[in-house]
Amino acid sequence: DGGITQSPKYLFRKEGQNVTLSCEQNLNHDAMYWYRQDPGQGLRLIYYSQIVNDFQKGDIAEGYSVSREKKESFPLTVTSAQKNPTAFYLCASSREGSLRYGYTFGSGTRLTVV
Amino acid sequence: QQPVQSPQAVILREGEDAVINCSSSKALYSVHWYRQKHGEAPVFLMILLKGGEQKGHEKISASFNEKKQQSSLYLTASQLSYSGTYFCGTELVRETSGSRLTFGEGTQLTVNP
Repeated sequence: DGGITQSPKYLFRKEGQNVTLSCEQNLNHDAMYWYRQDPGQGLRLIYYSQIVNDFQKGDIAEGYSVSREKKESFPLTVTSAQKNPTAFYLCASSREGSLRYGYTFGSGTRLTVV
Repeated sequence: QQPVQSPQAVILREGEDAVINCSSSKALYSVHWYRQKHGEAPVFLMILLKGGEQKGHEKISASFNEKKQQSSLYLTASQLSYSGTYFCGTELVRETSGSRLTFGEGTQLTVNP
């Protein structure tokens, strides 16, 4: 079955470390997105990509970086510059760069700074 | 700019109805509705594209007033399985960097027996 796989499900990071969250999709979707969700809050857009080798900053890109070297993969790196990285991170994709069919979300990665 | 959802929370008894509202200060191309169960990923419910359009999904339907930039989600004869947090996501008319959604803060819906 097609879908989006995020790994790991839980991640613990020490302060000052960079960590990379994986997002892989086999839906043949063109566009991919990273959102951050804090407890009791909505989803805020970090980065998104419409095509390979191109991506745009979202609303809260500071302290994060991404790459899109392959259509099916869109990893997110949380750098040490991100002051408050503890959150639930969701990766999503959409067909053809159009939102007519909505987002498909992965199951998320819960990152905790210890 | 983030859309505004209301109410923030609602508690129902099984079989009761609820309405969740979503409004934006900017011109919208589409409004999406998602439901998220605790600890899980959001699930797409429906998209509304045109002014005044109304769509339905079993006992869940929605409308989009393009002139007012407002959308409402209607849940009728609620079931226990409807519990969760409902998010509206908005797509602006003129997005120069490609399509993306901005989400509201969510409405927590609890359906009790």
